[in-house]
Amino acid sequence: DIQMTQSPSSLSASVGDRVTITCRASQGISNYLAWFQQKPGKVPKLLIYAASTLHSGVPSRFSGSGSGTEFTLTISSLRPEDVATYYCQKYDSAPYTFGQGTKLEIK
Amino acid sequence: QLQLQESGPGLVKPSETLSLTCTVSNDSISSKNYYWGWIRQPPGKGLEWIGTVYQSWHTYYNPSLESRVTISVDTSKNQFSLKLTSVTAADTAVYFCARQGYYERWFDPWGQGTLVTVSS
Repeated sequence: DIQMTQSPSSLSASVGDRVTITCRASQGISNYLAWFQQKPGKVPKLLIYAASTLHSGVPSRFSGSGSGTEFTLTISSLRPEDVATYYCQKYDSAPYTFGQGTKLEIK
Repeated sequence: QLQLQESGPGLVKPSETLSLTCTVSNDSISSKNYYWGWIRQPPGKGLEWIGTVYQSWHTYYNPSLESRVTISVDTSKNQFSLKLTSVTAADTAVYFCARQGYYERWFDPWGQGTLVTVSS
């Protein structure tokens, strides 16, 4: 089965910083990748699908890129409300595996 | 707007069977356009896909759970269900149900989640 590995596992950044999170697949998955944001105690929310398509209502400071085995989620200018854990998920075929998560905090 | 709501016991004894139901509102679970999935999250840990069902006859399970999991559909009640047998403390988690598109199999939307604790 294809494994999904995110890096870093956690990061701390300042308001206004550009933040990048990486997700790597152990085998190619084309662009069948989604990103989710989960705030503490809340339900995960879809941010991006098809590796780079912003879900409806998601602020434009979020963007995604990549294809094959390497993907990135970028926040262009970090805001306090972006504190959350971010997950990638492959959906090319079952198993629909998630990455282990990246916890983002404000410095 | 589609809504999903998980229900079931919040406490299950070790070695017993965990049973949860997801009730779908404002959409038909029989729709050919969607798959329906279960995901769980142990306290303080990440998300784990459990399994997915399509049209009540096609199921996919996480290989690490496959021997203990059954997902089924009740079209008359517009619900789908999860059964996990022989539970241990490691199965303590918040359990979410969610919809997946027929081709676009990301999870959206999600139910609110329900905490199931395995303890005697």
